[in-house]
Amino acid sequence: EAGVVQSPRYKIIEKKQPVAFWCNPISGHNTLYWYRQNLGQGPELLIRYENEEAVDDSQLPKDRFSAERLKGVDSTLKIQPAELGDSAVYLCASSPGTLKGETQYFGPGTRLLVL
Amino acid sequence: AQSVTQPDIHITVSEGASLELRCNYSYGATPYLFWYVQSPGQGLQLLLKYFSGDTLVQGIKGFEAEFKRSQSSFNLRKPSVHWSDAAEYFCAVGNTGTASKLTFGTGTRLQVTL
Repeated sequence: EAGVVQSPRYKIIEKKQPVAFWCNPISGHNTLYWYRQNLGQGPELLIRYENEEAVDDSQLPKDRFSAERLKGVDSTLKIQPAELGDSAVYLCASSPGTLKGETQYFGPGTRLLVL
Repeated sequence: AQSVTQPDIHITVSEGASLELRCNYSYGATPYLFWYVQSPGQGLQLLLKYFSGDTLVQGIKGFEAEFKRSQSSFNLRKPSVHWSDAAEYFCAVGNTGTASKLTFGTGTRLQVTL
């Protein structure tokens, strides 16, 4: 079974440029998460989808970040414009459903460097 | 609000030695607790999780963790460490009131010397 797929794996951009990250969850997983992991820190949830619906986006900086999961499968996270402080690893995870405490399966992440 | 504290930023052990990584949590009720491992350039892999019942939980790769309610702790242990165990380890607490909302600690980096 294929795991969570993310692309690109690395991205270097200049500040004020836009950037987008793509995630394809494990087949059949209805719940998808985007996390941001700053250097030396644990992951922090940005947004959680149940199928196409964003059910928790309270930690998403909506002035510059946006996300979509149009068909309830793959998802895109966008930053526009990027700031120096956005340099981090962006992790995508998925889980089968919405049961409490379900295991989340993580992708390898996209490492973003903003210059 | 839930929170997790991992007091040790970096730990070094010799191969074959025992290991204990500390994790303390703050949560108003009995939480769901997780340990994940992250190797360089990789995503997080679940080692084990605790929901209820037996407070000693067995996981993959020979790891175990013990839930101690009185100490608000969920420490990870392994009797004999292998060089391949070198990685970053994250403890996380799950919100029992909301499906799958995890709060992670800051991680402990494990170095294994030969």
